[in-house]
Parts: sequence; structure tokens; C-alpha cells
Amino acid sequence: EIVMTQSPATLSVSPGEGATLSCRASQSVSNNLAWYQQKPGQGPRLLIYGASTRVTGIPARFSGSGSGTEFTLTITSLQSEDFAIYYCQQSNSWPPEFTFGPGTKVDI
Amino acid sequence: EVQLVESGGGLVQPGGSLRLSCAASGFTVSSNYMSWVRQTPGKGLEWVSVVYSGHNTYYADSVKGRFTISRDSSKNTLYLQMNSLRVEDTAVYYCARLGYDGAALDIWGQGTMVTVSS
Repeated sequence: EIVMTQSPATLSVSPGEGATLSCRASQSVSNNLAWYQQKPGQGPRLLIYGASTRVTGIPARFSGSGSGTEFTLTITSLQSEDFAIYYCQQSNSWPPEFTFGPGTKVDI
Repeated sequence: EVQLVESGGGLVQPGGSLRLSCAASGFTVSSNYMSWVRQTPGKGLEWVSVVYSGHNTYYADSVKGRFTISRDSSKNTLYLQMNSLRVEDTAVYYCARLGYDGAALDIWGQGTMVTVSS
């Protein structure tokens, strides 16, 4: 079983600042890594897939990088609507597991 | 508009059964890979099951043998039949479309709450 970890658990930033979120896999997942944003009372929203491909409609201030076991989600110039919990998820396993990380809460 | 709407959650006793439904609009459930994911405060997001083309289905070890994923093309709906429910199955259950050739869950519903308690 592939275990996903994320750091930090909580990130306190001010609007306009940047944020760097980390995700680590217990074994290589190649580039089969996605990032999601979740706000209270809502289902997760896909931001990035394939480690670095931004979903259509997602602002350019969100970017993903990494491969293998180390991944990063970077948010430049945080807007008020970006304060949320961010999860990474791998889709490299077969049979499928789709393991999620525990999340990073980005708050003010 | 592309949308998923779950229903069927509720309170059930341990050992009981429940069937969740997920109605899709804006796309065809039978032509897409579909999945169920659950979320608890303690364990976060946990993948539950996926159905690929045809009837190829896979389950998390925690639900294997108890849960069954299926879909009805005439109703454009995804289902999750949950039997032998346990207290630890208590969670918000989301249905989601597995898009981008199976790379990520690109469309999610709003979730339905399942509480297993005596």
C-alpha cells in the first residue's frame, strides 16, 4: 500500500503571500499525482493532475511540480477564496488504491 | 451542466444495509469510469470503490465483500450497495467521475452522510 504524507498540516499565510505545500509518497508514483481543494461543506475540487497539469478554469497562480515520491503545490499571491484544505492523491497503484494524503489546511 | 447528486444516506444500525445513489447530469455514467470516496474527520478522504469499462470493479480492502458498486445506464445513475455496515463506515460518501484517462477525480458530488450507530 502506498502511503501519502503532506506537510505542513497547517499553513498560516496572509492574502497576497505565496504558499508551498508538500506531498510525499512512500514509493514512486511516477507523475500520477493529483491535487484537490476542499472548502467546508463541499466536495473536493480537482486543481492539478499528472503532477503538473492544471485543470481548465483553475487560475494560473496554482502550479504543481515533482515526480516519483516528492511533489509540491505552489500558490502564488493567495486570494481570500484560496483558504481551504488541500489534498494530494496518487493513482499509480494497480489494483487501484487512489490513496489520499491527510491534507494541508491553508488559513489566515 | 455537469453535475453529480448523491442521495440515500441516513442512520442505520450496525449490521444493516443501505444503498446510495448518485444521479449524473451533463455526461453519461456508463461511458465513464466512476468512483465512490468517503470522508471522516478522523481518517480524512478514503477511496472506496471504482467501476471501469464494462463491469470491472475494484474495492478498498476495508469494504471488500460488503460493498457493491453498480450503475444503471437507463437512469444515468451510479449506486453503492452497502451491507454488513460497521460503526467505522460512518462518513460522508461522495461519488466522483474518474477523468483524464483514470488519472484523477474531476467531478464530485456534494456528498451524503451515512451514520452507523445503535
